Amino acid sequence: EAGVVQSPRYKIIEKKQPVAFWCNPISGHNTLYWYRQNLGQGPELLIRYENEEAVDDSQLPKDRFSAERLKGVDSTLKIQPAELGDSAVYLCASSPRGSGKTGELFFGEGSRLTVL
Amino acid sequence: AQSVTQPDIHITVSEGASLELRCNYSYGATPYLFWYVQSPGQGLQLLLKYFSGDTLVQGIKGFEAEFKRSQSSFNLRKPSVHWSDAAEYFCAVGEPTGANNLFFGTGTRLTVIP
Repeated sequence: EAGVVQSPRYKIIEKKQPVAFWCNPISGHNTLYWYRQNLGQGPELLIRYENEEAVDDSQLPKDRFSAERLKGVDSTLKIQPAELGDSAVYLCASSPRGSGKTGELFFGEGSRLTVL
Repeated sequence: AQSVTQPDIHITVSEGASLELRCNYSYGATPYLFWYVQSPGQGLQLLLKYFSGDTLVQGIKGFEAEFKRSQSSFNLRKPSVHWSDAAEYFCAVGEPTGANNLFFGTGTRLTVIP
């Protein structure tokens, strides 16, 4: 079974430029998460989707960040414009339906963003 | 609000030695508790989880953790560390509401000396 796939793995951009990250969750997983992991920190939730619906986006900086999950499968996280403080690893995770008690999130390898 | 504290930023142990990684949480009730491992260049992987029942839980790769309500702790242990255990370890709490949101600690980096 294929795991969570993210791209690109690495991205270096100048500040004020836009950037987008793509995530393909495990087949059949209806819940998708985007986390941000700053250097030396644990992951922090940005947004959670149940199918196509963003059910928790309270931690997403909506002035510059946006996300979508069309058709309830793949998802894209966009930053426009990027700031120096956005340098981090962006993690995508998914979990299957009915896993509210299991807590097992399946993570991708992450997309490391460096903003210069 | 929930929070997770991992007081040890970095731990170094010799191969074959025992290991204990500390985790303390703050939550209004008994949360769901997890340990994840992040190896270099890889995604986070679930080691073990606690929801209820037996307070000593077994996980993959020979790890175990013990939930102590009185101490608000969920420490991770392994009796004999292998070089391949070198990684970053994250403790996390989840809300027992089915939302499946996890709140992670800052992590403990484990170095294993041959």
